[in-house]
Amino acid sequence: NAGVTQTPKFQVLKTGQSMTLQCAQDMNHEYMSWYRQDPGMGLRLIHYSVGAGITDQGEVPNGYNVSRSTTEDFPLRLLSAAPSQTSVYFCASRGQGAANYGYTFGSGTRLTVV
Amino acid sequence: RKEVEQDPGPFNVPEGATVAFNCTYSNSASQSFFWYRQDCRKEPKLLMSVYSSGNEDGRFTAQLNRASQYISLLIRDSKLSDSATYLCVVNPRSGSARQLTFGSGTQLTVLP
Repeated sequence: NAGVTQTPKFQVLKTGQSMTLQCAQDMNHEYMSWYRQDPGMGLRLIHYSVGAGITDQGEVPNGYNVSRSTTEDFPLRLLSAAPSQTSVYFCASRGQGAANYGYTFGSGTRLTVV
Repeated sequence: RKEVEQDPGPFNVPEGATVAFNCTYSNSASQSFFWYRQDCRKEPKLLMSVYSSGNEDGRFTAQLNRASQYISLLIRDSKLSDSATYLCVVNPRSGSARQLTFGSGTQLTVLP
């Protein structure tokens, strides 16, 4: 099925470990974003990309890196996991000309850092 | 002040009731507005875009008041399946990928 695919769905990390959350979309969307969702905080933008080779920081970028080598993939890297990064992570995408049509979200990655 | 503020809820209503959610936003230059629905432990899904003239989709009606920087969502004839968290979302600049700002959500439970 077309859409946004995130892997893994669940992950437990130890403090200081690194890992990459994967995000892929097959809708040829130019815009892709990573959000984290914490109780009572709403979704907060971590990093975003407006096309292959172009990325920029969002509201809460510290501790995370991204790259966009292809239109389809937008991985999020945690450099050195901290308990404060325990959260649910969502990847989202939309077409460039679809500002009024909202974003399509992946099913999320639930990350626990111990 | 949060950029997007919503009624905290939770709202517990009986089946068939009409319920309204409110949302205010702080950036007067905001261009695009949306309501998303999020089921428990699921991803947000677009419910409807909100247009200046107001718009309706079946039992759902969205209104935008730019002068008051206020958005509303009205659900008529509530169904059990409407139980979810409703997120107010604002895009301050048309076409901007950066500033899609989410409210923290209003939880709705429709009771049998």
